[in-house]
Parts: sequence; structure tokens; C-alpha cells
Amino acid sequence: GESVGLHLPTLSVQEGDNSIINCAYSNSASDYFIWYKQESGKGPQFIIDIRSNMDKRQGQRVTVLLNKTVKHLSLQIAATQPGDSAVYFCAEKYSGYALNFGKGTSLLVTP
Amino acid sequence: DAMVIQNPRYQVTQFGKPVTLSCSQTLNHNVMYWYQQKSSQAPKLLFHYYDKDFNNEADTPDNFQSRRPNTSFCFLDIRSPGLGDAAMYLCATSRVRVYEQYFGPGTRLTVT
Repeated sequence: GESVGLHLPTLSVQEGDNSIINCAYSNSASDYFIWYKQESGKGPQFIIDIRSNMDKRQGQRVTVLLNKTVKHLSLQIAATQPGDSAVYFCAEKYSGYALNFGKGTSLLVTP
Repeated sequence: DAMVIQNPRYQVTQFGKPVTLSCSQTLNHNVMYWYQQKSSQAPKLLFHYYDKDFNNEADTPDNFQSRRPNTSFCFLDIRSPGLGDAAMYLCATSRVRVYEQYFGPGTRLTVT
């Protein structure tokens, strides 16, 4: 599948600040996107997803924005906490049930 | 709690010695996946099963095989592990027409 990439490999934020993690995708036909959080030594954990017929979707402290015009996806985390420190991956569904994962952004929350 | 279980969590094998990793799920999901994740990289899909229908990714080496004897279990066989196969292997599941995948904790494979 075509690549899904992240703009920033690492992001450091202070506790309580908002975090924004960005992702670019290249397959304009992709109709489903998903964000995962992966803590060290663990499997990825679902955060939030969005279909291509939506521009925005909100969860608990998280918001995903989809800009299909520029093929850009972002994850916003409100009031970032130390427990949010992890690697974040975006992924796109490119065929059937297959997901193509982006490179990942490491989020470090400092007190 | 319903979950995806991977055994063992850590596996050491010798270069060229066949190894099998196992995955089981209590979620009763139709679709099961195997991913390879190398250090500081994204998970890379190797193959997936939709029930017994096997779907191999085009760039998955022939050295990797999989078996799914029933809904609950799926195995990853590496016929002749090379040093480059050292990685975390992740199993995941999903329901039909729902694309959110539930991941297990992974098996870290070391090849000596």
C-alpha cells in the first residue's frame, strides 16, 4: 500500500498542555483511519478512529481531525498527562481489512 | 475479560531453527492478523485470516507461514529464522465489517 507518514518523530510537551500529533497519508482512496497508542513492551491500543465521510471526531480528551483536501490527519490530546507518554501511530485501511501503519511519533510528557 | 493472548511473551531461537508463535483470542472475532514490528518501527502486516480465508501480503517472505486451526487460535511459523527476523510479533483480531483491531501484548523473538 501507499505510505502513511508522520511529520514529527518525537514530541515533548509539559503536563497539562495540549498535544497535537500529525500524520500525512498519500492514498486518496483511503476511507478509514485509526490512531493507536503503544506503550513500551505492549501491543498497540486503540484510541480513536474516523471514516472519510467525517472531518472531526471526538473522544475522551482526544480529537481526530481529517483534512481530505491535503490528505492530513491529526490527533489532539487535551490536558496531556504523564500516562499519555507513548508512541502514537496513525494507520489507514488500504484494502479489505488490512491496515498500513505510519512511522510513529514518540510523545514525552514532562512534569 | 475478553482478550488476545500471545505465548510465549519472549522466545529465543537459534539461527535456522524453526519456531512457532501462538495467538489465541476469547473475543470470537472472525479476522486474525500477524504483524512484525522491529525496534522503533511501525507494525508491518504479514498476513491475515478472514475465518479460514488466508490473505498474504505481497512482500511477506516465504519463510513466514501461518495456520488457523479454529476461530480461537492462530499460529505463526518461521521456518528458518535469520538474524533479521528478530522482532516483536503482534497478533490482532477484528470483527467483520469493523476495522478496529485488538492487539495482543506481542512475542519478542530473539535469534542467536
